[in-house]
Amino acid sequence: DAGVTQSPTHLIKTRGQQVTLRCSPKSGHDTVSWYQQALGQGPQFIFQYYEEEERQRGNFPDRFSGHQFPNYSSELNVNALLLGDSALYLCASSWDSSGANVLTFGAGSRLTVL
Amino acid sequence: GNSVTQMEGPVTLSEEAFLTINCTYTATGYPSLFWYVQYPGEGLQLLLKATKADDKGSNKGFEATYRKETTSFHLEKGSVQVSDSAVYFCALIRIKAAGNKLTFGGGTRVLVKP
Repeated sequence: DAGVTQSPTHLIKTRGQQVTLRCSPKSGHDTVSWYQQALGQGPQFIFQYYEEEERQRGNFPDRFSGHQFPNYSSELNVNALLLGDSALYLCASSWDSSGANVLTFGAGSRLTVL
Repeated sequence: GNSVTQMEGPVTLSEEAFLTINCTYTATGYPSLFWYVQYPGEGLQLLLKATKADDKGSNKGFEATYRKETTSFHLEKGSVQVSDSAVYFCALIRIKAAGNKLTFGGGTRVLVKP
């Protein structure tokens, strides 16, 4: 049973560019959350998607946007990249949005902005 | 708002030593508390959890007790192994109707030497 899969695993972009990160949730899960983990820090919540809608959002600018597809997979888009966007982006899934069920995390996509 | 504070690392130990990582939290209501572990190059894995006061979470020899009176959830292991070298994150979540997020501490790096 595959867990949460993320792609790409590593990527390098330059300032001002745009990036799209992808996530496939664990089988049976319908809720996807995204977190940003800067080097040496704890993950910070970006947003959560359930039933193809953004249900909750953390303190991130509108440059960060997302989407959830009917098959529950999700994308994270970041526009106008800044050096400070360099981080490990983690996707987590669960089988409902209540928070009562434990999140399963993927291995992450490491973004480097030059 | 919610917050989690954990002791800064790195924590360097010899094999078979006793490990304690302190974690305190600030939250309204009754959060659920978690410890996640991140091995080098990997995503987050749930280590243990506790959902109400005085609950003890345990897994793989690790334990943590939910202490509401001291708002703490300290992680302990009686005899660490080299394979326990990782970064440990304390986190909390508040259950509510529409969407939830994990709030993480900054992480504590543990290095166990043979």
